[in-house]
Amino acid sequence: RKEVEQDPGPFNVPEGATVAFNCTYSNSASQSFFWYRQDCRKEPKLLMSVYSSGNEDGRFTAQLNRASQYISLLIRDSKLSDSATYLCVVNVDLGSWGKLQFGAGTQVVVTP
Amino acid sequence: DGGITQSPKYLFRKEGQNVTLSCEQNLNHDAMYWYRQDPGQGLRLIYYSQIVNDFQKGDIAEGYSVSREKKESFPLTVTSAQKNPTAFYLCASSIRSGGENTGELFFGEGSRLTVL
Repeated sequence: RKEVEQDPGPFNVPEGATVAFNCTYSNSASQSFFWYRQDCRKEPKLLMSVYSSGNEDGRFTAQLNRASQYISLLIRDSKLSDSATYLCVVNVDLGSWGKLQFGAGTQVVVTP
Repeated sequence: DGGITQSPKYLFRKEGQNVTLSCEQNLNHDAMYWYRQDPGQGLRLIYYSQIVNDFQKGDIAEGYSVSREKKESFPLTVTSAQKNPTAFYLCASSIRSGGENTGELFFGEGSRLTVL
């Protein structure tokens, strides 16, 4: 079983709509959580960290559910520029970022 | 502007040849990392270094080697022992490894290696 699992998609979303997707993780000792965005054939870039209380950054909302071991990302009022692959990243060991585990990504395609 | 520079962006290699991928950062970051990305899979850690002259194996270190002689540089050598070297290789850095950290990795633009 993979340590971090994501629905690969694609999630086809009309412009202006809302899309949400989850990421599950297997290690209950996981300490910190992140969403990265990766455009086609480009490098990943940090989108947002995920805090226990949930957090929002503009049109993006991230939530953590420790009991069920998943994090979620919601995108409101989708823009064409939101089309990308969203990577879920989990850190098991705060003592070393070498313990980061990446999901394979969820592809989002926003259509006009 | 500060950042991470990887070279070359595209590289073709014949089987049996070693190849070295360059990674240079001017962000003054302590930690550097090499990841490999294959289609349909998450990034997998090859090697990482938390400080100059020290590095640790990641999950898939076999067939690879690294050095960290300078803070700014973390080259990766893909040796002929690596069975499936064709992949997208990403170098990253972070302010420091672990502890109080934003968790942000800064990635280079990647190097695409194709073995013919």
